[in-house]
Amino acid sequence: SYELTQPPSVSVSPGQTASITCSGDKLGDKYVCWYQQRPGQSPVLVIYQDTKRPSGIPERFSGSNSGNTATLTISGTQTMDEADYYCQAWDSTGVFGTGTKVTVL
Amino acid sequence: EVQVVESGGDLVQPGGSLRLSCTASGFTFTNYWMSWVRQAPGKGLEWVAHINQDGSEKDYLYSVKGRFTISRDNTKNSLYLQMSSLRAEDTAVYYCARQFYDGTRWFDPWGQGTLVTVSS
Repeated sequence: SYELTQPPSVSVSPGQTASITCSGDKLGDKYVCWYQQRPGQSPVLVIYQDTKRPSGIPERFSGSNSGNTATLTISGTQTMDEADYYCQAWDSTGVFGTGTKVTVL
Repeated sequence: EVQVVESGGDLVQPGGSLRLSCTASGFTFTNYWMSWVRQAPGKGLEWVAHINQDGSEKDYLYSVKGRFTISRDNTKNSLYLQMSSLRAEDTAVYYCARQFYDGTRWFDPWGQGTLVTVSS
């Protein structure tokens, strides 16, 4: 079965840039989306089709996907961005990444 | 407002059955695939099942095939997940989500989730 691997944790200072990677075999041949899940809340879509932002998602969230790695970038990170982030792709069934906890300190 | 709301989660014994429901509002339900995704306590997200607009296409996570059945009632804007032969490893928060399909598939929005606990 297809697997997506993310680093368990990423730390970033307020105002700096956070990069979260998602790795999978030939992932660049698939579309990737990203979800933010704040503590105790449901997931929220922040990026779809590799680079697109849903309405209401701040411009500081951006995505890219090439080769075997997709990346979610949070520019000018704010304390409210502290959350778990999951990548997701489709490979006959839905596949989620292992998740990354972003800490803003 | 576009939203989905789940219900039906409960404590159930191993081997038991349970039916989850999800009611959609704020969008044309019949235009969308729908999915169930679960999250075990302290763990990551796991896609469980999806169904197409008229219910003629369904697919499942391998570990739930033959035990779970996804269905929908378009007259009630509702999605269901019938779960049987439940196991401890099925313990999770179950989320309902609208599914987009355009070259790939993604989920938006998600409901608040309903907790299923399988334990004796």
